[in-house]
Amino acid sequence: DTGVSQDPRHKITKRGQNVTFRCDPISEHNRLYWYRQTLGQGPEFLTYFQNEAQLEKSRLLSDRFSAERPKGSFSTLEIQRTEQGDSAMYLCASSPPPPSGGRDEQYFGPGTRLTVT
Amino acid sequence: SQQGEEDPQALSIQEGENATMNCSYKTSINNLQWYRQNSGRGLVHLILIRSNEREKHSGRLRVTLDTSKKSSSLLITASRAADTASYFCATAVGTPKLIFGTGTRLQVFP
Repeated sequence: DTGVSQDPRHKITKRGQNVTFRCDPISEHNRLYWYRQTLGQGPEFLTYFQNEAQLEKSRLLSDRFSAERPKGSFSTLEIQRTEQGDSAMYLCASSPPPPSGGRDEQYFGPGTRLTVT
Repeated sequence: SQQGEEDPQALSIQEGENATMNCSYKTSINNLQWYRQNSGRGLVHLILIRSNEREKHSGRLRVTLDTSKKSSSLLITASRAADTASYFCATAVGTPKLIFGTGTRLQVFP
């Protein structure tokens, strides 16, 4: 399977602990995105990378959140001092470099479901 | 924050019927995309319509876009039980990030 992969698929942690998620995009895609989705809502944008550069961050990405893409391939999203409000599905997506023949769609991974107790 | 709002929030139909869901958004857009999400396959891209297009077809899907009303509709014809999922519209506004709506939950009964 050459789609976007995420690890772990599920994470249960206690409040105050740090967690780290990993995303492996489709290999030829240079853009990588992180979204967060809570129950009954649509995904909300967190941040995106073009190659290794983090080009945009949402106000949702508080100082407890940090994302990296050190070699322009896989990315990690770390949440420090987790809070119960961080419980959500964290989705990663990737897209090919422009021009992409009009294909601006994003390809999503299965997500990491975080539960903070 | 959510850019778009889908209507209805939930829709139940019989197999073979058509399903129409609507999306309204707030700001000018580059393109509008529709995605499907179910527990088995996650978020999957369905169709993209650019701001200078008014209608687009893909298989059993038909999307319309009215930029003057800042709205779009997705029509699924001859629905199947496998179409049961949540459907989201998403807009691209100046940057590659997507701003998703709140979603329509579609249930198709066999």
